Amino acid sequence: DGGITQSPKYLFRKEGQNVTLSCEQNLNHDAMYWYRQDPGQGLRLIYYSQIVNDFQKGDIAEGYSVSREKKESFPLTVTSAQKNPTAFYLCASSIPGRGPDTQYFGPGTRLTVL
Amino acid sequence: QKEVEQDPGPLSVPEGAIVSLNCTYSNSAFQYFMWYRQYSRKGPELLMYTYSSGNKEDGRFTAQVDKSSKYISLFIRDSQPSDSATYLCAMSTNTGNQFYFGTGTSLTVIP
Repeated sequence: DGGITQSPKYLFRKEGQNVTLSCEQNLNHDAMYWYRQDPGQGLRLIYYSQIVNDFQKGDIAEGYSVSREKKESFPLTVTSAQKNPTAFYLCASSIPGRGPDTQYFGPGTRLTVL
Repeated sequence: QKEVEQDPGPLSVPEGAIVSLNCTYSNSAFQYFMWYRQYSRKGPELLMYTYSSGNKEDGRFTAQVDKSSKYISLFIRDSQPSDSATYLCAMSTNTGNQFYFGTGTSLTVIP
């Protein structure tokens, strides 16, 4: 089955620790995205990548880092510099320029900082 | 001012009711207008989208775009308990890959 997988589903982190969220897709999509979802704030774009080895900051990139070494994978690292990292993180992928019906979301990772 | 504004609700209706969900926006460059449905603790799934102005119908769902008023709507006819979810509007420009999302409206359909 084609789709996007995110792991783990739930993640707990102590303050001061970095943590990496996994996102993998087998849809052969060039573009991949990371969003953060908080209650009452909708989805906010953290980083996006339209091609391997290239990525751009979204609206709330501070305290986050990404890499795009393979087309299928777009891991997100939440660093200790992120002031309020507890949130629901969503990964998505799409075919650039082909319209919104090519964008698919993963099931999400819920990160809780203890 | 946010790019996209959406009333968060919550909205509670009896089964069979017609539901109206709405968003307003400020960026006149938006050309794609999307509606996503998100069940609790899941990723959003695309319900339908329209390009530029006009209406689009898909079964019990109708999406409307009024670009002159910068206002979009999603209507759900004969609402069912399975429609209970959060509905997110989203928009993008013709060339961009960035989607701008509303905050989502929480809908509960009571049997």
